[in-house]
Amino acid sequence: SQTIHQWPATLVQPVGSPLSLECTVEGTSNPNLYWYRQAAGRGLQLLFYSVGIGQISSEVPQNLSASRPQDRQFILSSKKLLLSDSGFYLCAWSVGGSNYEQYFGPGTRLTVT
Amino acid sequence: GIQVEQSPPDLILQEGAISTLRCNFSDSVNNLQWFHQNPWGQLINLFYIPSGTKQNGRLSATTVATERYSLLYISSSQTTDSGVYFCAVEAPNFGNEKLTFGTGTRLTIIP
Repeated sequence: SQTIHQWPATLVQPVGSPLSLECTVEGTSNPNLYWYRQAAGRGLQLLFYSVGIGQISSEVPQNLSASRPQDRQFILSSKKLLLSDSGFYLCAWSVGGSNYEQYFGPGTRLTVT
Repeated sequence: GIQVEQSPPDLILQEGAISTLRCNFSDSVNNLQWFHQNPWGQLINLFYIPSGTKQNGRLSATTVATERYSLLYISSSQTTDSGVYFCAVEAPNFGNEKLTFGTGTRLTIIP
């Protein structure tokens, strides 16, 4: 069966510090991978998605970036965090192509101070 | 992009009641999912239902694609059903392989 991992679970970082959140998927090959952000407990905003290694699409311009160095690894990064980057970050995967379910990881709660 | 509206935004019911949650969307969809977000933030898949009706225990869902809405029913609601319920759609006219989420319905079941 497939599983999705995210770490860390929680993170408190000062403004201006770098960020690296990691997501890995087990039990499947060539998945679509997604990063979402949820602020204030409602509404998920799609940040990035990837249909293959090195293929990243950005949905929202911001100071965040994403990379996919391996087939089942998706990384969310920032060089300098802003207060507005605080939120709950969720990684998701689906089988490649349309019309398939997305499955979510446990999330990382980021607080920028 | 496609608009996804969920109603009501908040729903407070007594234990044992039937909960009815609605999701309206503004364009044709080829994917629709319902999720439950638990108090720890985990999104739990409930239904993949771009059309038709499905049932899983006390939960059922119906999507009428031609009229652009979906309904989620929870019968004999329990306190553990509390949380936020999200509808999410994939619209081929607005980019495949991406879900657009509604703003959610916060369900509170009172003992």
